[in-house]
Amino acid sequence: GAVVSQHPSWVICKSGTSVKIECRSLDFQATTMFWYRQFPKQSLMLMATSNEGSKATYEQGVEKDKFLINHASLTLSTLTVTSAHPEDSSFYICSARLQVRDGELFFGEGSRLTVL
Amino acid sequence: AQSVAQPEDQVNVAEGNPLTVKCTYSVSGNPYLFWYVQYPNRGLQFLLKYITGDNLVKGSYGFEAEFNKSQTSFHLKKPSALVSDSALYFCAVRDIGGAQKLVFGQGTRLTINP
Repeated sequence: GAVVSQHPSWVICKSGTSVKIECRSLDFQATTMFWYRQFPKQSLMLMATSNEGSKATYEQGVEKDKFLINHASLTLSTLTVTSAHPEDSSFYICSARLQVRDGELFFGEGSRLTVL
Repeated sequence: AQSVAQPEDQVNVAEGNPLTVKCTYSVSGNPYLFWYVQYPNRGLQFLLKYITGDNLVKGSYGFEAEFNKSQTSFHLKKPSALVSDSALYFCAVRDIGGAQKLVFGQGTRLTINP
């Protein structure tokens, strides 16, 4: 089956630093990837749609300068949390769309960010 | 806009009993519906989907879901629950539009008691 790898799984950083999270489709090409954020005991909130070779489409209320998304290749999208603050602490999950099989989405294992 | 609702935050079932996790939907046009499961600190795993065809959809790990157009529901079911089924379950609908993003329900925490 299609595999999406997310790295790192856990990251702890100091307030004010930037953190990059990678999302890779290991055995398929994904022209579209999605980044979600999940707060404890809550559902997934879509942050942005990442399109290969073009700018990401951000959901309303998501700061594009805060959450930088780059989709430079068909197998890699990155989310950079810039100048992180404690309120950015969350579980970030990416997903990639398979171009066939009705465009089924496959999810990464998630990255837990803790900002001290 | 497309949406799904999961009316129960938590469902508790005894091991071996049948389980149902409820989901209702609100869509424009034909619904593309999904169920995913999430274990602690993990990503989402696909269980099953309804695109078209038979109303009863069979998925992974013995789960199935019944699409009911008149009741706008897509409940997840399993005839005999296992303790290992304990997890967070999400119903989702594919949004209309070019990106076809998924819109998730609130999630239901399923606990199977030994």
